[in-house]
Amino acid sequence: DGGITQSPKYLFRKEGQNVTLSCEQNLNHDAMYWYRQDPGQGLRLIYYSQIVNDFQKGDIAEGYSVSREKKESFPLTVTSAQKNPTAFYLCASSMPGQGPYGYTFGSGTRLTVV
Amino acid sequence: ELKVEQNPLFLSMQEGKNYTIYCNYSTTSDRLYWYRQDPGKSLESLFVLLSNGAVKQEGRLMASLDTKARLSTLHITAAVHDLSATYFCAVGGAGGTSYGKLTFGQGTILTVHP
Repeated sequence: DGGITQSPKYLFRKEGQNVTLSCEQNLNHDAMYWYRQDPGQGLRLIYYSQIVNDFQKGDIAEGYSVSREKKESFPLTVTSAQKNPTAFYLCASSMPGQGPYGYTFGSGTRLTVV
Repeated sequence: ELKVEQNPLFLSMQEGKNYTIYCNYSTTSDRLYWYRQDPGKSLESLFVLLSNGAVKQEGRLMASLDTKARLSTLHITAAVHDLSATYFCAVGGAGGTSYGKLTFGQGTILTVHP
């Protein structure tokens, strides 16, 4: 079955450490997105990529980095510059021409600073 | 800058009652989503509304869109406990497709009591 796989489901980060969240899709979607969710809040866009080897900052990109070397993969690195990284991270993908039902979310990674 | 506002943010309902969640957005868009989120889970797509006057219904939930007023509503009929969750609206870009980033409302936490 096609879908988006995020790993790990839970991740713990020590102060000053970089961590990478994985997002893989087998939907053949061109575009991929990373959103952050804090308790009691909606999702906010971190980064997005509409094509391989290209990506754009979203609303809250500071302290994060991404790469898009393959169409299927869009990993997110939370760097030590991100002062408050504890949150729920959701990856999504979409494809032009598939219609609005083609917007798909992964199951999420919960990141906690220890 | 696109802003999306939901109200109420918290909704405590008795089983069997009706209520409406409102979603206002600030700029023109032709694509509005409603999602459900259970605690610790990802987003479940409920409805996609694409045109002015669009109405969609699934079970006890009905969503509508007024693009002139930049308003969408999610109406709950005869609430049951299983509807307890957080509900988000999200507004996307142009073209009526799934392509492009979404801007989310803050979410409405719905609790249905016996």
